[in-house]
Amino acid sequence: GAVVSQHPSRVICKSGTSVKIECRSLDFQATTMFWYRQFPKKSLMLMATSNEGSKATYEQGVEKDKFLINHASLTLSTLTVTSAHPEDSSFYICSADQTSGGMGDEQFFGPGTRLTVL
Amino acid sequence: GNSVTQMEGPVTLSEEAFLTINCTYTATGYPSLFWYVQYPGEGLQLLLKATKADDKGSNKGFEATYRKETTSFHLEKGSVQVSDSAVYFCAQGYGGSQGNLIFGKGTKLSVKP
Repeated sequence: GAVVSQHPSRVICKSGTSVKIECRSLDFQATTMFWYRQFPKKSLMLMATSNEGSKATYEQGVEKDKFLINHASLTLSTLTVTSAHPEDSSFYICSADQTSGGMGDEQFFGPGTRLTVL
Repeated sequence: GNSVTQMEGPVTLSEEAFLTINCTYTATGYPSLFWYVQYPGEGLQLLLKATKADDKGSNKGFEATYRKETTSFHLEKGSVQVSDSAVYFCAQGYGGSQGNLIFGKGTKLSVKP
């Protein structure tokens, strides 16, 4: 199946700094990429949907100025957590959709990035 | 709003035991239903899906049937293996260019030899 990678897999940063997480589709072009956040013992929560070359669509309650998403190419989307605080510590997961009108089964997930803000 | 509720884990079974992980959903329409599996250190992978009522999804010995009357999509396997140890997520989704998915909290399964 299609492979999606994330980098880094784990990051620890100081409060107030910014952290960038990359999501890459390795063997296909992703027209749409999704960013999820997972809290301990909680389900994945969709944060935003990004389409290549256009602005991301954020879910209600997600601060677009804090979680900057860039989908500059068909194989790369980045999530930047700006001025990170301890409450931003979480597991961030991306997925990529290789079809423009695909159902959920066309989403391929990355392994996730564990962010810890001290 | 739409939601997915699945049984709390962890679930610990012996090899060859029967597995059931319950999943129910609330939805305003008729979503597609999915089970995803996450093996240690890996991303979520689609395990099986069903797109309409009474459909049965199956893969790798796992099965789940879309029950509209009980709004359920329980995951079952007749004989689990150690290699089935993973976290299982139930999800609902709608088609279209967004392909948004709503996930349950996940159920961790541990299978002992």
